[in-house]
Amino acid sequence: GIQVEQSPPDLILQEGANSTLRCNFSDSVNNLQWFHQNPWGQLINLFYIPSGTKQNGRLSATTVATERYSLLYISSSQTTDSGVYFCACRQGAQKLVFGQGTRLTINP
Amino acid sequence: KAGVTQTPRYLIKTRGQQVTLSCSPISGHRSVSWYQQTPGQGLQFLFEYFSETQRNKGNFPGRFSGRQFSNSRSEMNVSTLELGDSALYLCASSLEGNSPLHFGNGTRLTVT
Repeated sequence: GIQVEQSPPDLILQEGANSTLRCNFSDSVNNLQWFHQNPWGQLINLFYIPSGTKQNGRLSATTVATERYSLLYISSSQTTDSGVYFCACRQGAQKLVFGQGTRLTINP
Repeated sequence: KAGVTQTPRYLIKTRGQQVTLSCSPISGHRSVSWYQQTPGQGLQFLFEYFSETQRNKGNFPGRFSGRQFSNSRSEMNVSTLELGDSALYLCASSLEGNSPLHFGNGTRLTVT
């Protein structure tokens, strides 16, 4: 099955900084999503982005399907951005596979 | 539109007991999937259902089972609970298999 790797595993930044999170996947995908898990465990859907670029406020994401990676950009970080960011991919009708996540800590 | 609803939010059980978790998807969503999250193993896929049919199954023992009803609500059952079953169980729904997934708040199960 498809393999999903995220980097870095941990990221500590000061409020106001920008960050880039990366997701590499091992094969072609027809579904790729980015999620943010808050400290209470809730998984929030950030982007559905099997290809192309999308933006939502301070967050944007780009997936280059031919090179099998996706990037999540967070600009002007706020403490509320802290949490774990997951990338999840699906190939065909197979199960959705999650990466191990990037733990982001934004210090005031 | 109401989101994905999981009940109960918290559950404490004893080894050897069984447990049933419930998930009500977003109205109109026909696909429901379940995930187990533990600190050591991350997010592991359990099952996926679409229109009452199991479409995919993860690598979990037969003690883990699930089903989906005609109204798309889903339940998962774990029998003969073990300490290692302690985890956050997350349910997600989508319009169909490759549509964006939307997660519920999860059920945190503690087995003592």
